[in-house]
Amino acid sequence: AQKITQTQPGMFVQEKEAVTLDCTYDTSDPSYGLFWYKQPSSGEMIFLIYQGSYDQQNATEGRYSLNFQKARKSANLVISASQLGDSAMYFCAMSDPLNTGFQKLVFGTGTRLLVSP
Amino acid sequence: EAGVAQSPRYKIIEKRQSVAFWCNPISGHATLYWYQQILGQGPKLLIQFQNNGVVDDSQLPKDRFSAERLKGVDSTLKIQPAKLEDSAVYLCASSPPFGYTFGSGTRLTVV
Repeated sequence: AQKITQTQPGMFVQEKEAVTLDCTYDTSDPSYGLFWYKQPSSGEMIFLIYQGSYDQQNATEGRYSLNFQKARKSANLVISASQLGDSAMYFCAMSDPLNTGFQKLVFGTGTRLLVSP
Repeated sequence: EAGVAQSPRYKIIEKRQSVAFWCNPISGHATLYWYQQILGQGPKLLIQFQNNGVVDDSQLPKDRFSAERLKGVDSTLKIQPAKLEDSAVYLCASSPPFGYTFGSGTRLTVV
């Protein structure tokens, strides 16, 4: 069974600094997808970044990058130059094996990020 | 492109009452998901539809929860009777072959 572990309940960072949110995963399938979502207090889930298990390079999307270490089964999110608007819950998630064509997501418990001025 | 629409936004009911949530996915999205997010936890999949057929409902408490997706478009999720532990945010999401879009969710409080 797939499992996502986020060990940091909360993180604090000062504005303009970089922060790393940890995520480790467990699966026996060779093909899978890893996602990061942001959930502000308003409740919607906002997609940030995706990494496929066969992707050779780490994914990047603007200020977000995913530090993918397959051997360690980790997929940490790095946010560069933090902004006050980055304060939110952040969830790491894993999808079904990519060859099934379906995308059930298994989520971690989340990390609450607080950005201070 | 319009997003995934959900209603109501908030609902408060007493235990043992029934409640229904509605979701209208993005036009053309074949796959629809209902997730339950209990406070302090990540979302957990309740049911997944592909068009109007159920793909996965293994974590749906079928003695009290039901869901349908008529005509492969919008969907309703029903709880009858509700328990205190059903208090959560119910998120609907839809996808084409790849790529999720979530709705804003329905926050249910059972008292």
